[in-house]
Amino acid sequence: GAVVSQHPSRVICKSGTSVKIECRSLDFQATTMFWYRQFPKQSLMLMATSNEGSKATYEQGVEKDKFLINHASLTLSTLTVTSAHPEDSSFYICSAERRGSGSGYTFGSGTRLTVV
Amino acid sequence: GQNIDQPTEMTATEGAIVQINCTYQTSGFNGLFWYQQHAGEAPTFLSYNVLDGLEEKGRFSSFLSRSKGYSYLLLKELQMKDSASYLCAVRDYELTGGGNKLTFGTGTQLKVEL
Repeated sequence: GAVVSQHPSRVICKSGTSVKIECRSLDFQATTMFWYRQFPKQSLMLMATSNEGSKATYEQGVEKDKFLINHASLTLSTLTVTSAHPEDSSFYICSAERRGSGSGYTFGSGTRLTVV
Repeated sequence: GQNIDQPTEMTATEGAIVQINCTYQTSGFNGLFWYQQHAGEAPTFLSYNVLDGLEEKGRFSSFLSRSKGYSYLLLKELQMKDSASYLCAVRDYELTGGGNKLTFGTGTQLKVEL
């Protein structure tokens, strides 16, 4: 089946530094990738939608200069959390849409970011 | 925007049946998904509805009424391992962008007890 590989699974960084999270679709082309953030005991909140070769579309309230998204190829999308602060600590997860399938979406395994 | 609402928590007994409801409001409805998620893990696909009616898949069934903006997930013969968060997600077709967007509901934490 379709697989999306997300790395790293866990990362601890110092406040003020930047962290890059990668999502790769391993056996299909992901023209669209979605990035979500999930705080403890809450649901997944859509941050942005990235389309290969074009600018990402950010949801209301999400700072595009802080959460940089790059979708340079059909198999790779990256999310960079710039100048991270403790309040950015969260579970970040990507999802790729697979067209023509009822199940539709394949999720990465998620990245637990802790900013200290 | 979308409003996707689910009960926050539910408790049920092992072997019983539980129904988790989801109501939604959206402008470009293009399908509804149910996912199961254990803490710290990615969501796992359970079911998909795009037309009205019931979709059955083993112990799990999902129902959709587009006119009412309503869906439910039915879990039968509950097992302890079914204790998890259940997420309703609505796919919207966005006219401006020409693509689909998947938005999740608030999630229902199900606890299965002996």
